Amino acid sequence: GQNIDQPTEMTATEGAIVQINCTYQTSGFNGLFWYQQHAGEAPTFLSYNVLDGLEEKGRFSSFLSRSKGYSYLLLKELQMKDSASYLCAFNNAGNMLTFGGGTRLMVKP
Amino acid sequence: DTAVSQTPKYLVTQMGNDKSIKCEQNLGHDTMYWYKQDSKKFLKIMFSYNNKELIINETVPNRFSPKSPDKAHLNLHINSLELGDSAVYFCASSSIVEGSLWQYFGPGTRLTVT
Repeated sequence: GQNIDQPTEMTATEGAIVQINCTYQTSGFNGLFWYQQHAGEAPTFLSYNVLDGLEEKGRFSSFLSRSKGYSYLLLKELQMKDSASYLCAFNNAGNMLTFGGGTRLMVKP
Repeated sequence: DTAVSQTPKYLVTQMGNDKSIKCEQNLGHDTMYWYKQDSKKFLKIMFSYNNKELIINETVPNRFSPKSPDKAHLNLHINSLELGDSAVYFCASSSIVEGSLWQYFGPGTRLTVT
């Protein structure tokens, strides 16, 4: 079957580093995606991994291990505006994204 | 300039009514999608559609039907609305042909069924 899990909530301090983990199970796999969603807004694309390893994009990095069914999103130099929900999703090779429930990140001063 | 747009932004209607939500993308993408995000914030795929193939999530009731007049539009029609249909509906698009699998989302339509 298909399954994807991520923590419901996390809290971090402005200027710090936070890692949001995601584990998944799927029979078909064509990439792991991270999206950011501010309250009341649309999800916006952050990063995409299809091969094992780390992808870095400014303050944001995403890691994938396909053999372990595991990914994480790393946010550095946290800013207050980073307070949002972070959604992990996999593409099951049918061009359909299956999303996790999202991790609500609260950044405190 | 909006990449993916949806109308209306808010929709309040009564049980039993039929309603449509419109979606347009100006990105030249070949594939469009509809998602439902419920009160617990779970985002679930409903449909994936390009000019060749419609893929339906098997959990979607047949009261929901996508209608695509052309490549840039994918409207969502809902018959006999029920209380449980209340949610935010997001349209999205991507370019499968170009190998860009990440999806661009519209601003969402908040549907409230009373």
